[in-house]
Formats: sequence, C-alpha cells, structure tokens
Amino acid sequence: DIQMTQSPSSLSASVGDRVTITCRASQSISTYLNWYQQKPGKAPRLLIYAASSLQSGVPSRFSGSGSGTDFTLTISSLQPEDFATYYCQQSYSTLPTFGQGTRLEIK
Amino acid sequence: EVQLVESGGGLVKPGGSLRLSCAASGFTFSSHSMNWVRQAPGKGLEWVSSITSSSSSIYYADSVKGRFTISRDNAKNSLYLQMNSLRAEDTAVYYCARELEAGDWGQGTLVTVSS
Repeated sequence: DIQMTQSPSSLSASVGDRVTITCRASQSISTYLNWYQQKPGKAPRLLIYAASSLQSGVPSRFSGSGSGTDFTLTISSLQPEDFATYYCQQSYSTLPTFGQGTRLEIK
Repeated sequence: EVQLVESGGGLVKPGGSLRLSCAASGFTFSSHSMNWVRQAPGKGLEWVSSITSSSSSIYYADSVKGRFTISRDNAKNSLYLQMNSLRAEDTAVYYCARELEAGDWGQGTLVTVSS
C-alpha cells in the first residue's frame, strides 16, 4: 500500500497568516493527489484534486502544488472559517490512502 | 444536486452483522464508481472499499477483507456495505462517496460495536 505522511500533525496560526501543509507519498503518485478540509461532525470537503486543481466553489486562497512524492497545500491568508483538519489522499492506487491529518488551530 | 444518504448504522455486539445502505440521487449512478470511507471517533479517515460502475471490479482495505462485502443496485441507485464479524475497532462513522476526486460525500452513519 502507498503510505501518505503529512507534516506537521498540528499547527497554530493566526488570521491572515500564510500556511503550508506538506504531504509525502511512499512512492511516486504522479499528480493523483487530493486535499480535503474537515470540520468537527461534518463530512470531508474536497478542496484540491489532481494536486493543483481547485474544486468548484473553493476560495482562491487555497492552492496545491507538487508531483511525484512531494505535495503542498497552501492557504494564502487564513480566514476564521479555515480552522479545521486537513487531509491529503492519493488516488494513484486502486487502494486509496489518506494522510493522518493536520489540525490547524487558532493561535 | 448530488445527494448521498447513508442509513443502517447502529449499535451491534462484537461478532455481529450490519448492512449499510447509501441512496444516491442527482447524478447518473450507474456511470460512477463508489466508495465507503470510515472515521473512528477522534481519528483520521480510512478508505474501506470501492466498486466500479458495473461491479466488475471490487477492492477492500486489508482491515476489512473477508468480513465486509460491497455491492450496488444500479436500478435502485443504491450502494451497500454488508459488515460481518464486526469488531470493536470497526466502530466509526461510515461515509459513502462518489469517485474520491469528485468530492461528493454523504453525511455519514455511525456504527458502534460494543457489548
């Protein structure tokens, strides 16, 4: 199975900050990488698909980059509604796998 | 509008069985692969199983292989997950989702395995 490792596991930041979350795959996955946001008690929300494509309706302050094994999710200017947990997920394999999550908290 | 509505969750004893359902609407169900993804309380997301549009290919996570069975009825726009030999570690919210890169998920149904 392809292992996905996110860093950091948790992060404290302030409104207006620029934040970057990284995700590393245990083998090359080309650009078959998705990013999700999840808030407590809610289903995950797709933010970015195919490593860098913004899902419809997602604010442009979210962006994704990377290919192969190393990927990043960047939030250019944190808003109060962005404090949540973020997951990466590979869809290269027929057995999809998620990263362990990054909890973004208010400083 | 795409809608996915899970049902069938509840409390079951270890070793017991449960069948989850997911009713789909707002898209051509028979043209899309479907997935089950779960989340244990306070934990991360874990993909459980997927099935292609015609049921020709089916995949399972190692943690459920041999115990869970995914199926679909395209005439009823429905996805199912038959869960047998349930364990405490299967306790989770179970979500159905269209192709994961499409971003369509249900609201989830809670399965609790406890004596």
